[in-house]
Amino acid sequence: NAGVTQTPKFRILKIGQSMTLQCTQDMNHNYMYWYRQDPGMGLKLIYYSVGAGITDKGEVPNGYNVSRSTTEDFPLRLELAAPSQTSVYFCASSLGVALETQYFGPGTRLLVL
Amino acid sequence: DQQVKQNSPSLSVQEGRISILNCDYTNSMFDYFLWYKKYPAEGPTFLISISSIKDKNEDGRFTVFLNKSAKHLSLHIVPSQPGDSAVYFCAARRIQGAQKLVFGQGTRLTINP
Repeated sequence: NAGVTQTPKFRILKIGQSMTLQCTQDMNHNYMYWYRQDPGMGLKLIYYSVGAGITDKGEVPNGYNVSRSTTEDFPLRLELAAPSQTSVYFCASSLGVALETQYFGPGTRLLVL
Repeated sequence: DQQVKQNSPSLSVQEGRISILNCDYTNSMFDYFLWYKKYPAEGPTFLISISSIKDKNEDGRFTVFLNKSAKHLSLHIVPSQPGDSAVYFCAARRIQGAQKLVFGQGTRLTINP
């Protein structure tokens, strides 16, 4: 049982390039989330999904897209990378019941130059 | 507009003593509060939580106190151990719905031997 896995661990992008951050969970969780953490700051919600085929914007969605075609996978797409997207990205999942916690992956560190 | 605030960026405590981490929130719709612990290069891990119907929740060395009238919560760690050195994030959400977490900025706790 691996929990939440994220790939890659680290990536350097040039301005204007695109990439997809992968997130997979094997806990059969309904809810999945993408957060970003900037230096010295807390995590901010980018997008979330409450089930396959259902996604919605969080607090900072601009510049990102998501899809949820299966329960297990929730990829995050950056279309035109900008320096402001330099951050650490965390994927999380939860069952979706009332007092359940969210479980986080190890993170992807992204540097846009 | 920071809905969840941790006003102390860092805290240094001697091993064996009590560590007290504080958190304030502004959104009265929050009814579930969590503390996460984060080590470098890892994702946040759940530590302890409390719902708004309680004012205290205890789990071993960790106790969370909630003062709803002051919109304030605190995490007490007794006794503090070197392995407790980490960044601690306070987070809040609504129990129902998409359960989106709103995080504070984090407090770096250092336990000195």
